[in-house]
Amino acid sequence: DQQVKQNSPSLSVQEGRISILNCDYTNSMFDYFLWYKKYPAEGPTFLISISSIKDKNEDGRFTVFLNKSAKHLSLHIVPSQPGDSAVYFCAASDLRGYSTLTFGKGTMLLVSP
Amino acid sequence: GAGVSQSPSNKVTEKGKDVELRCDPISGHTALYWYRQSLGQGLEFLIYFQGNSAPDKSGLPSDRFSAERTGGSVSTLTIQRTQQEDSAVYLCASSDTGSTDTQYFGPGTRLTVL
Repeated sequence: DQQVKQNSPSLSVQEGRISILNCDYTNSMFDYFLWYKKYPAEGPTFLISISSIKDKNEDGRFTVFLNKSAKHLSLHIVPSQPGDSAVYFCAASDLRGYSTLTFGKGTMLLVSP
Repeated sequence: GAGVSQSPSNKVTEKGKDVELRCDPISGHTALYWYRQSLGQGLEFLIYFQGNSAPDKSGLPSDRFSAERTGGSVSTLTIQRTQQEDSAVYLCASSDTGSTDTQYFGPGTRLTVL
């Protein structure tokens, strides 16, 4: 059973608008969450993270929101740019002394000019 | 500085053959992880190294899979008697200490078993 779920396999957004990528998790032991971005033929690159003691973390155009009671997090990108087009993976860790990550299946974001 | 590198970038093999995949982590990173991504799936954890020891092998899908790390640096993932379901992109990541440090990923090895 998937512990991290990204229910939207793809999302299309126009340049300049907001992109909202969603992620749900089932394991209540998860307390650290990350978003990775992946371009074709490259490894995932770290984008932004949030620990469970926070409900929001912002870095430039990227903001991650965490709703622990709903076991839901989201990544907001505003304004979206064509270069943001990539697959976005949500990942979670339970910090068992090390951060083995459990990943969702990813959401492919396409930002059109 | 140099990132995580993996070799080969692509590997095509016949069913039943053994393959070795190599990962060179970022210099000085003590933690090293192997993941794989099958078609249409997310990244699946395989094994974690802290230094040369592997405290967590729980993700290895069968005893045909093994990995080692020598000198606290290079790691090799070996798949014996490959099966078609082993076809996937195998990704290696390293992090500074293995706690909440960011994991940096290599470009992956695409394995195709015919």
